[in-house]
Amino acid sequence: DMKVTQMPRYLIKRMGENVLLECGQDMSHETMYWYRQDPGLGLQLIYISYDVDSNSEGDIPKGYRVSRKKREHFSLILDSAKTNQTSVYFCASSLRDRNYAEQFFGPGTRLTVL
Amino acid sequence: GEQVEQRPPHLSVREGDSAVITCTYTDPNSYYFFWYKQEPGASLQLLMKVFSSTEINEGQGFTVLLNKKDKRLSLNLTAAHPGDSAAYFCAVSPSSSFSKLVFGQGTSLSVVP
Repeated sequence: DMKVTQMPRYLIKRMGENVLLECGQDMSHETMYWYRQDPGLGLQLIYISYDVDSNSEGDIPKGYRVSRKKREHFSLILDSAKTNQTSVYFCASSLRDRNYAEQFFGPGTRLTVL
Repeated sequence: GEQVEQRPPHLSVREGDSAVITCTYTDPNSYYFFWYKQEPGASLQLLMKVFSSTEINEGQGFTVLLNKKDKRLSLNLTAAHPGDSAAYFCAVSPSSSFSKLVFGQGTSLSVVP
């Protein structure tokens, strides 16, 4: 069953706390992504990972870092969360050797930072 | 870099009417385009992928048009029904990086019975 999973689905944190969002996929996709979705802004790319320990900044990486130690698993870390990081976070994956980035999305994590 | 503008942000139509969502993009060398559907509280599901070589693509109940000259991509839902109520996003794969997607801002479509 090809899918992208995300944990947790909902999370409430206080400002200054650390946040760990987890993503997994069972399709052996090399490339994985973290996005955030805010009303009126669509999806904005935070980080992209081309494979294990091969990560690149996306369009809005400030305040975030990522970790990919296994191909099927990609983590997003917020060190000292801020209220403006309240958002819905989506993880996605795609095959690298395809010449177009058809991406498969996880169910999302709704993060609230108080 | 590539920029994508999607209009309208909100759209309400009656059941049976058509609905048109349009995206304009800036990179004339973009070749791959996508439409995603997001139902309330759910993730994004791929609706259709469009390659620059084909200007008209048809799915079940909708048509996607690509006008390369005007750099415009449109999604036309024919005879909309309440199950089409969702957010729709276009996405463009920029020529500078085919592994990335640049998303439009999204359109919230409401189909009223």
